[in-house]
Amino acid sequence: DSGVTQTPKHLITATGQRVTLRCSPRSGDLSVYWYQQSLDQGLQFLIQYYNGEERAKGNILERFSAQQFPDLHSELNLSSLELGDSALYFCASSVGPSVAGREQFFGPGTRLTVL
Amino acid sequence: TQLLEQSPQFLSIQEGENLTVYCNSSSVFSSLQWYRQEPGEGPVLLVTVVTGGEVKKLKRLTFQFGDARKDSSLHITAAQPGDTGLYLCAAQGAQKLVFGQGTRLTINP
Repeated sequence: DSGVTQTPKHLITATGQRVTLRCSPRSGDLSVYWYQQSLDQGLQFLIQYYNGEERAKGNILERFSAQQFPDLHSELNLSSLELGDSALYFCASSVGPSVAGREQFFGPGTRLTVL
Repeated sequence: TQLLEQSPQFLSIQEGENLTVYCNSSSVFSSLQWYRQEPGEGPVLLVTVVTGGEVKKLKRLTFQFGDARKDSSLHITAAQPGDTGLYLCAAQGAQKLVFGQGTRLTINP
């Protein structure tokens, strides 16, 4: 158990819909990272928040948004869902703002299926 | 864009055999990490290598960082069914970790 929790574990929805994925980081970690893992693209970095502020942005679509709340939990919002958004979505956390040589602790993921 | 190429993509061997998987790039990295991911779980960090030529051992797993810090290898001795999983290498890019596609390893009893 990494100490990072993600809900829900599974999510099935239809094209065009909007969903919210939730992540609680390890106690004491201020950074939260979101990743998308699909069969053809591997593990892709989406976005990072550090202590409530956006820190780094990766290959995140405009239909996707995220935020980190004062209690440090984070939510990833996916809207206007398409079939190609079906994937595993992971949240990871770390203590500091930089990935340099630091360990990220990954949650168990949310499996999103768009029908 | 930094790209990490892992090979092989899939590997299925018998228990007790040795194996090596590779992570290669044309870019130089300040550090490289190896993760293992089991079905239904997130990746778990195995090791971080920082110095060119560095070798780290974790029980039956040996990790090496290339002298030029462009490549790395993971060698497993006497593989066991518990080693089954997806092995991912990751390197530090600009403010983010860049992951390879992974090597899916299956150890058959």
